[in-house]
Amino acid sequence: GESVGLHLPTLSVQEGDNSIINCAYSNSASDYFIWYKQESGKGPQFIIDIRSNMDKRQGQRVTVLLNKTVKHLSLQIAATQPGDSAVYFCAETGGGGSNYKLTFGKGTLLTVNP
Amino acid sequence: DADVTQTPRNRITKTGKRIMLECSQTKGHDRMYWYRQDPGLGLQLIYYSFDVKDINKGEISDGYSVSRQAQAKFSLSLESAIPNQTALYFCATSDTFTDTQYFGPGTRLTVL
Repeated sequence: GESVGLHLPTLSVQEGDNSIINCAYSNSASDYFIWYKQESGKGPQFIIDIRSNMDKRQGQRVTVLLNKTVKHLSLQIAATQPGDSAVYFCAETGGGGSNYKLTFGKGTLLTVNP
Repeated sequence: DADVTQTPRNRITKTGKRIMLECSQTKGHDRMYWYRQDPGLGLQLIYYSFDVKDINKGEISDGYSVSRQAQAKFSLSLESAIPNQTALYFCATSDTFTDTQYFGPGTRLTVL
């Protein structure tokens, strides 16, 4: 069945370092992937997305990498700042006409130490 | 101003009470969703609506009902609240042409 999971539940980094958050998925039909950031007391905030016909996409300080061969997704945050501290979720849509339905991973807590 | 708003932001109620959570959006999106988030878990889909006349059950619809009063408004009701419905509830919207969902700030519901 479909599942989206995260390799690490917590990640602690020093301010200024680069952060990498990983996500595995099991549905080979998944064709759209999103990373969300959720700060304490707030709703998930869209960060970046990628479609299955791409293997890399860059935003401002963030890069998403998609490896369809091993069904792996990662979020890279450059020069991590204290404001990046949050829970990060990956989500995927199953494709096959079910693109409305996002399946979320459990989340990784990123802590940035000053 | 926030594009997706939810009211109330916090609510404490008692077992057996009926409660309604409301969601409004100014994004002009056709699609709206209700999710539930429990501690340490991802979001689970309760109900979704593709337009005013289209309502669909999600993964965990038992004990919940919804109403799509207008394109911009989607409410979630708990007909008879029970303690295991204590959770964070999020509303989200998306347009017809992209799959990106945008979330409201959430409602923290506690059922005693």
